[in-house]
Amino acid sequence: DQQVKQNSPSLSVQEGRISILNCDYTNSMFDYFLWYKKYPAEGPTFLISISSIKDKNEDGRFTVFLNKSAKHLSLHIVPSQPGDSAVYFCAASYTGNQFYFGTGTSLTVIP
Amino acid sequence: DAMVIQNPRYQVTQFGKPVTLSCSQTLNHNVMYWYQQKSSQAPKLLFHYYDKDFNNEADTPDNFQSRRPNTSFCFLDIRSPGLGDAAMYLCATSRDLPQGNNEQFFGPGTRLTVL
Repeated sequence: DQQVKQNSPSLSVQEGRISILNCDYTNSMFDYFLWYKKYPAEGPTFLISISSIKDKNEDGRFTVFLNKSAKHLSLHIVPSQPGDSAVYFCAASYTGNQFYFGTGTSLTVIP
Repeated sequence: DAMVIQNPRYQVTQFGKPVTLSCSQTLNHNVMYWYQQKSSQAPKLLFHYYDKDFNNEADTPDNFQSRRPNTSFCFLDIRSPGLGDAAMYLCATSRDLPQGNNEQFFGPGTRLTVL
């Protein structure tokens, strides 16, 4: 049972434009959400996170938005750069439990 | 740099031949995890250790075992690999179990091929 879903397997964006990656979840107990970035031949690396008590968290070019009523979160990258081309995984957890991951979205930023 | 190291990066084994994958960490984290990831799928948690306390996911096959002899090392043993066990195996660590601001740090993974 996939509790975290990323319905877009891939996304292409022009350099300088905004990239929006989406994630949906089904478990209302989740209280912490994370985005990971993965380059080929490397493990996922933590990018940004958000607690369920917030609806927005910003770190430089990366912003995560959380809509609890819709059980939806999104990652915005502005402006997108070619080095952002990678697979992005959404993950969620609740206190004391495991992290649940989505299937990933492959982002390609076109120069 | 503190990190999570996995050896080997690529492992080829024969059907039914036991194989051991290794993970070490210099982060001194309490929790170590093993995930299995198949192509285009989400990483699937197999088990995790909180210190020496072992936690097996309910749907992890008995064919998979794990050992954590000390804080730094964790091993994944596949007793009789089948063709369906071919996957990327990711090791991860975290300071504590999920609570608040507590992310995981991943190794580069071991790509297992079963012939």
